[in-house]
Amino acid sequence: DVQLVESGGGLVQPGGSLRLSCAASGFTFSGYEMGWVRQAPGKGLEWVSYIGSSGSNIYYADSVKGRFTISRDNAENSLFLQMKSLRAEDTAVYYCVRDSLGSVYDHWGQGTLVTVSS
Amino acid sequence: IQMTQSPSSLSASVGGRVTITCRASQSIGNYLNWYQQRPGKVPRLLIYAASLHHNGVPSRFSGSGSGTEFTLTISSLQPEDFATYYCQQSHSSPFTFGGGTKVDIK
Repeated sequence: DVQLVESGGGLVQPGGSLRLSCAASGFTFSGYEMGWVRQAPGKGLEWVSYIGSSGSNIYYADSVKGRFTISRDNAENSLFLQMKSLRAEDTAVYYCVRDSLGSVYDHWGQGTLVTVSS
Repeated sequence: IQMTQSPSSLSASVGGRVTITCRASQSIGNYLNWYQQRPGKVPRLLIYAASLHHNGVPSRFSGSGSGTEFTLTISSLQPEDFATYYCQQSHSSPFTFGGGTKVDIK
C-alpha cells in the first residue's frame, strides 16, 4: 500500500525555520512527481509546491516563494520542505501528496501541523 | 488561475441530488479535479480530468464540464457523503484549489 508519512511539524516563532519530511513507501518514489498542500485551521486547501520526479522541475505558490524550498532524496524515498522566515499565516497542517497524472493528487499523507506563534 | 466554487455550503437530504459548480478564471481545458474531505479526515481524490473516476469512487459521483465551467454531481446522497468538496485545476502552476463547498445534512 502507498504510504506517505510526514514529520517535522511543531511550534516555531515568527521568523523561524522548520524542515518538514515525508517518508514514502509502497511505490516507486523516483517515478512520481510530488508536492505539498496545506490547510490552515478551519480553512480550505492551499497548494504550496511541486517537484518533478528527478527534482529538476520545481514550482511554488506566490505566498511561499523565496521562503520555502522543496527537495527530494530518491535514494531515501523522501520529500522535504524547508521553511524559513515563517509567518503566522503559515500556520497550517501540511500534507505531502503524490502527484499521479500531472498535479492530480491521488495519495495524501496524514499531515503535520505547523504553528507559527510567539 | 482563480477557482471559484458555488455554493460555499448547502444542506441536502439523504437520497437527494447535489450539484456543485466550479468556475475557472481562464480556460483550463479538462484539467480539473475534485476532492472530498470528510470532517477530521485527509482529503481524497474523487474525479480527475473533469470526469474520470479515481479508483474505488462510487458511480453516484460524476463530473462534467470543460473550459471554465465544471460541475460535480452526487446523484443520491449517502450519509458518508456529508463532507467538504474542493475543485483544483492542474492546468498550470500555481495549481489552485477552489474555496470548498460544505455539504451537510438537511
